[in-house]
Amino acid sequence: AQSVTQLDSHVSVSEGTPVLLRCNYSSSYSPSLFWYVQHPNKGLQLLLKYTSAATLVKGINGFEAEFKKSETSFHLTKPSAHMSDAAEYFCVVSVGGSNTGKLIFGQGTTLQVKP
Amino acid sequence: DSGVTQTPKHLITATGQRVTLRCSPRSGDLSVYWYQQSLDQGLQFLIQYYNGEERAKGNILERFSAQQFPDLHSELNLSSLELGDSALYFCASSVGGYSSYEQYFGPGTRLTVT
Repeated sequence: AQSVTQLDSHVSVSEGTPVLLRCNYSSSYSPSLFWYVQHPNKGLQLLLKYTSAATLVKGINGFEAEFKKSETSFHLTKPSAHMSDAAEYFCVVSVGGSNTGKLIFGQGTTLQVKP
Repeated sequence: DSGVTQTPKHLITATGQRVTLRCSPRSGDLSVYWYQQSLDQGLQFLIQYYNGEERAKGNILERFSAQQFPDLHSELNLSSLELGDSALYFCASSVGGYSSYEQYFGPGTRLTVT
């Protein structure tokens, strides 16, 4: 069965410092992995996705994530945090081996950015 | 703006009642998804439709049902409502029906059951 674990429920950084949001996944198949962001009172927006191409994936707004099969991890990083990055971030894994769009969401990590 | 529209934005109703949430996908998208976001359960996949047919089912209660119409809009029907059904309900759409396709999310419908 597929599952995803976000290792931190809350991360706080200062503006201009690096961001690291950690995610581990479990999948019986080669998964598709995603990071979504949810700003307060807004819908979700796709940051980036991994679908078995390059292991280092670049997304929008300077975010990137590296797929590490040996560690079953898909951590999200950004070199320098901006105040507008404050939001809820979700690591998401596809239900592999099926012809559906079913996704499993992690519990989310709240990113706080201090001035 | 993702291009996915959901109505209504807010809904307040009493226990035991029935409500219908509506979703219009992005132009050209054939697949529609429904998700429930609550504090205790997080974001959960409910159901997926592709070109009018049910494609996948998640943890959707029997009191809940959905359909996708020929014009591709979708409705989620929630009946015999309970306090625990209070949540944010998201609709998403994608061009194709597989998980590799990007899903575009609507702004959500906030349901409060009193």
